[in-house]
Amino acid sequence: GQNIDQPTEMTATEGAIVQINCTYQTSGFNGLFWYQQHAGEAPTFLSYNVLDGLEEKGRFSSFLSRSKGYSYLLLKELQMKDSASYLCAVIDSNYQLIWGAGTKLIIKP
Amino acid sequence: GAVVSQHPSRVICKSGTSVKIECRSLDFQATTMFWYRQFPKQSLMLMATSNEGSKATYEQGVEKDKFLINHASLTLSTLTVTSAHPEDSSFYICSTKPGQGDWQEQYFGPGTRLTVT
Repeated sequence: GQNIDQPTEMTATEGAIVQINCTYQTSGFNGLFWYQQHAGEAPTFLSYNVLDGLEEKGRFSSFLSRSKGYSYLLLKELQMKDSASYLCAVIDSNYQLIWGAGTKLIIKP
Repeated sequence: GAVVSQHPSRVICKSGTSVKIECRSLDFQATTMFWYRQFPKQSLMLMATSNEGSKATYEQGVEKDKFLINHASLTLSTLTVTSAHPEDSSFYICSTKPGQGDWQEQYFGPGTRLTVT
């Protein structure tokens, strides 16, 4: 079966750095997304990785290791507005999008 | 990026009634639209994939006679929850993308909060 694992919840302090991990076992791989979702709102696109390595975009970076079936989202200089759920999603060999359950990130002052 | 709208944003209905939710792609032709449902503190669950001019493809466990999907044009898809019950209360989100691949061009609507009393 296809499976994407993320921690259910994480807590971090304002101004700090947090890393949210995602591991996947899917039938093939054609890319991995990270989305941010605030409560009661639709997901918004953060990043897309299809090759191994680190993609940096401002305070957010995303890393991919295809051989390990592993990705992480790194958030730096955390702000209170970063409190949200972060969803990992993988495109499988059939070009279907498989969603993780999401990680709820709580930022404390 | 593309803009996707949903209407209504919130709806409260009585048990047994039907509710229609509209999803519009405002500035590009959406060959494919997706309907998701999200229960509190859970991730998105794909309900069905809607292709313009053809019947929707439903995910396993989703009743096609209860959740009617019509994708009559390249800019509009509708989801009708028929004979709604309290367990149908959820956050319904649509998304669109131009073609079969193009996942990087998937855009989400703002969602519709359905409460069935």
